[in-house]
Amino acid sequence: LAKTTQPISMDSYEGQEVNITCSHNNIATNDYITWYQQFPSQGPRFIIQGYKTKVTNEVASLFIPADRKSSTLSLPRVSLSDTAVYYCLVAGVNTDKLIFGTGTRLQVFP
Amino acid sequence: NAGVTQTPKFRVLKTGQSMTLLCAQDMNHEYMYWYRQDPGMGLRLIHYSVGEGTTAKGEVPDGYNVSRLKKQNFLLGLESAAPSQTSVYFCASVGLAGPYQETQYFGPGTRLLVL
Repeated sequence: LAKTTQPISMDSYEGQEVNITCSHNNIATNDYITWYQQFPSQGPRFIIQGYKTKVTNEVASLFIPADRKSSTLSLPRVSLSDTAVYYCLVAGVNTDKLIFGTGTRLQVFP
Repeated sequence: NAGVTQTPKFRVLKTGQSMTLLCAQDMNHEYMYWYRQDPGMGLRLIHYSVGEGTTAKGEVPDGYNVSRLKKQNFLLGLESAAPSQTSVYFCASVGLAGPYQETQYFGPGTRLLVL
């Protein structure tokens, strides 16, 4: 299983763009990168998933460089409601279990 | 379609007591997982199942047992509760393609306090 490393915490202000980077140096060829968001007292929920280059959906973008050893979750124009913990996970076709790291705690200020 | 549900939502146990946490999903998912989350910590995988009748150990399996007798249910048992098992327990499920290709759906969590 690929080990991931993320910053423990980040602070931002409303309206700013937030970029959270995850390092996964030993990612395997068939591994995908998935990001989850967790609010207090709730289970995590899926944000975005990608394999390479760039993926965008209605809430975020995911940038993956050519070597795939890292990925960056980009949240455009954050609001107070984006205050949460964000987890980066790496899993491949032979992965039965998902291992969550400690995640990145994002605090958005007014 | 209720998704993933967990029973009970909250429970207080005394040291040495036993209990079973129930996770149920109505999405016909193959994979099911039990995680625990301690204050300020990430989720740690306890046990998981890749299909009916199968179970496997995760990162922190000691003190817990699981069973997957029916595809839709995944039970987590504590035979002799200890204060160190005070935590929030989350159940999750994933469809047939597996966690690398499909989204994990999480339940609302069960808060367990062991005195």
